[in-house]
Amino acid sequence: GDSVTQMEGPVTLSEEAFLTINCTYTATGYPSLFWYVQYPGEGLQLLLKATKADDKGSNKGFEATYRKETTSFHLEKGSVQVSDSAVYFCALSGTSYGKLTFGQGTILTVHP
Amino acid sequence: DAGITQSPRYKITETGRQVTLMCHQTWSHSYMFWYRQDLGHGLRLIYYSAAADITDKGEVPDGYVVSRSKTENFPLTLESATRSQTSVYFCASSGQTSGGGETQYFGPGTRLLVL
Repeated sequence: GDSVTQMEGPVTLSEEAFLTINCTYTATGYPSLFWYVQYPGEGLQLLLKATKADDKGSNKGFEATYRKETTSFHLEKGSVQVSDSAVYFCALSGTSYGKLTFGQGTILTVHP
Repeated sequence: DAGITQSPRYKITETGRQVTLMCHQTWSHSYMFWYRQDLGHGLRLIYYSAAADITDKGEVPDGYVVSRSKTENFPLTLESATRSQTSVYFCASSGQTSGGGETQYFGPGTRLLVL
């Protein structure tokens, strides 16, 4: 079945540091890939998505590129802020109606 | 308000009691989902629904019941709550976005504590 593996956290960075959160997946066919973010006490919000190989999703300074050859969708940001502290989930959808398979989540803490 | 809402936001109950968590969406999305979030497990799918009166099991359906008589509502019932059902529950609905493909949108969650 489909599965998503995220780098284990927590990740702690200083403000303005470079961020990478690794995500790899196993799926049949050509899934869509997503990054969701969860701020403390809130639900999940879509951060970015990519629907086919070599697509780059981007939002709020975050980027991720759909790499089919390495089955990866790593999340990057060039300069993190304290307000980026949250839990980040990588997910895939192999169905036409959006049913998601999630990774375990990575806790990011950014210090001033 | 437009979007997806859940109620209650917080609930404390006792073992053996029946509890119903409500979910309402205003987009008329066909697909709706229930997840539970637990430390070390990420989000796990409990049930989903393709349309009114069509539901199907997800990864962890035992101990839960769902119904969907109207497109906009998708309640989740714990028929006899157990301590292992202490969790945060998220409802989601799925719709098309400008980038193509279906995308899930999540409610704010219900924090359930079973004593």
